[in-house]
Amino acid sequence: DAGVTQSPTHLIKTRGQQVTLRCSPKSGHDTVSWYQQALGQGPQFIFQYYEEEERQRGNFPDRFSGHQYPNYSSELNVNALLLGDSALYLCASSLTSSGSGYYNEQFFGPGTRLTVL
Amino acid sequence: DAKTTQPPSMDCAEGRAANLPCNHSTISGNEYVYWYRQIHSQGPQYIIHGLKNNETNEMASLIITEDRKSSTLILPHATLRDTAVYYCIVQAAGNTGKLIFGQGTTLQVKP
Repeated sequence: DAGVTQSPTHLIKTRGQQVTLRCSPKSGHDTVSWYQQALGQGPQFIFQYYEEEERQRGNFPDRFSGHQYPNYSSELNVNALLLGDSALYLCASSLTSSGSGYYNEQFFGPGTRLTVL
Repeated sequence: DAKTTQPPSMDCAEGRAANLPCNHSTISGNEYVYWYRQIHSQGPQYIIHGLKNNETNEMASLIITEDRKSSTLILPHATLRDTAVYYCIVQAAGNTGKLIFGQGTTLQVKP
């Protein structure tokens, strides 16, 4: 099992450009969450995708958008990049439970390091 | 905002037990305590979770106080590879949504 994979590992962009980051979830998982981690900070939740739809969203502007494909893989798109978007972008996958009381351990990928110049 | 409070940093000697505290005084009855850790340049890794009973797995033990307002993660025999940022997170059972990370505790294991 390859676990959660993300591509690319590193990326350099300039202000105003657009970027697409990709994530393949752990085998058997159907839910993908994206997090942004600025240097020295804990990860911040961006949004979560389940059944190809955005299910929850954190406090991020509309410049951040995503997509989930039928095979559960996901993309994070960021438009009109700002210097402040420089961060490690983490993808986490999990299995949505059908009942209550079931914890959902999230498995994280290694992240994509985005630098905006 | 995170519902937990952790010390920013701790040191531990290699081979000794590392005890990482976490305060979660506003925890609700249906909320679990989760611990994740993040080794430098890697994604966070799940360690353990619990509701009100103490829990143990191959990585660590989790001690939750009777009033559930605080907990302690115990790494029984810390190694240099346990050097990482440790995050204590409170989340409702069955909540498939976001994890709210705080600043975490940076544990430095020293030889």
